[in-house]
Amino acid sequence: KAGVTQTPRYLIKTRGQQVTLSCSPISGHRSVSWYQQTPGQGLQFLFEYFSETQRNKGNFPGRFSGRQFSNSRSEMNVSTLELGDSALYLCASSLRPPLGGEQFFGPGTRLTVL
Amino acid sequence: KNQVEQSPQSLIILEGKNCTLQCNYTVSPFSNLRWYKQDTGRGPVSLTIMTFSENTKSNGRYTATLDADTKQSSLHITASQLSDSASYICVVSEGDAGNMLTFGGGTRLMVKP
Repeated sequence: KAGVTQTPRYLIKTRGQQVTLSCSPISGHRSVSWYQQTPGQGLQFLFEYFSETQRNKGNFPGRFSGRQFSNSRSEMNVSTLELGDSALYLCASSLRPPLGGEQFFGPGTRLTVL
Repeated sequence: KNQVEQSPQSLIILEGKNCTLQCNYTVSPFSNLRWYKQDTGRGPVSLTIMTFSENTKSNGRYTATLDADTKQSSLHITASQLSDSASYICVVSEGDAGNMLTFGGGTRLMVKP
């Protein structure tokens, strides 16, 4: 069974630009969550989608948005990039929103903002 | 504010030795606690998931314990191997918040030959 895939793996952008990251969950998984990981802040929850609906949202500005498609694939968009947005963006999928459901993480997209 | 604190921040041990990592949390209401292993440059991989009623859970050489009364958890690694070198992250799920998880800062473990 293929794991969670994320594209692209690496991305370099400049301040003010926007970026779209993609995540394909494990086949059959309907819940997709996004996380930002930085050396200073560690892992932080961005948002979670289930059946094309956003279930939860973390404490991030409106520049961060996402969506989920009918095939459970998800995209995350960051507009007006800032230097502080440089991070590893991780996507995770699970069968359904836990309680207790195991999440499987993708390899992440490394975003560098210059 | 929900918080997850891990200690130590970093740890160096010799191959073959045991070690224990600590996690304290203030997340409420509590749903479950997870331990993840993250190799450098890769996504986290789940080691254990424990709910309120579970005190101990093992996954090979990894054994996690949970004390829901004191809101503490530990991850014990037995007979460490070089491949155990990684960051270990404690994560707590809140109530019915699905995947809205609170992450600890992680413990960076280095196993030396």
